[in-house]
Amino acid sequence: NAGVTQTPKFQVLKTGQSMTLQCAQDMNHNSMYWYRQDPGMGLRLIYYSASEGTTDKGEVPNGYNVSRLNKREFSLRLESAAPSQTSVYFCASSENLGANVLTFGAGSRLTVL
Amino acid sequence: KQEVTQIPAALSVPEGENLVLNCSFTDSAIYNLQWFRQDPGKGLTSLLLIQSSQREQTSGRLNASLDKSSGRSTLYIAASQPGDSATYLCAVTDSSYKLIFGSGTRLLVRP
Repeated sequence: NAGVTQTPKFQVLKTGQSMTLQCAQDMNHNSMYWYRQDPGMGLRLIYYSASEGTTDKGEVPNGYNVSRLNKREFSLRLESAAPSQTSVYFCASSENLGANVLTFGAGSRLTVL
Repeated sequence: KQEVTQIPAALSVPEGENLVLNCSFTDSAIYNLQWFRQDPGKGLTSLLLIQSSQREQTSGRLNASLDKSSGRSTLYIAASQPGDSATYLCAVTDSSYKLIFGSGTRLLVRP
């Protein structure tokens, strides 16, 4: 099925460990996004990529890095995980930045102990 | 800074009832507003997208309105069903093309 695929779905880390969340879309979308969702706070934008080769900070970028590997793939890296990064992470994509419907992945639940 | 608020945070209604979910935003300089549905443990599914020049959009039993000048949107669900139980989120595309979300309304439709 066409859409956005995220891996892994679940991950438990210890404080200070690093990991990368992977995201791939097969809809030939130009723009991709990483959000985090915390209870009672809605989704907050971490980083986004308007097009292949560009990345920009969102609302809560501290502690994260991203790579737009190619048009299909957009990864999110936690270099030194902290308990405050315990959250559900969503990747999304859209045809272009701004005016289009976003398609979301199923989410990755990360727990940092 | 754009802020999006959804009231109520949770809502429980009997099956068959018509209901309205509310969304407000602080900056009227938006490109569009979207309503999403999120089922527990799942991602978000876009329900309706209203461009800033539009007043409403309809899809089946769902109708969303937008009053940009007052910073408000409503999602009307007609003849609610238990399958409508989910969290509904609204989001606006702000002047820098980023999507800003509200915290959602958790809806329970009782059989």
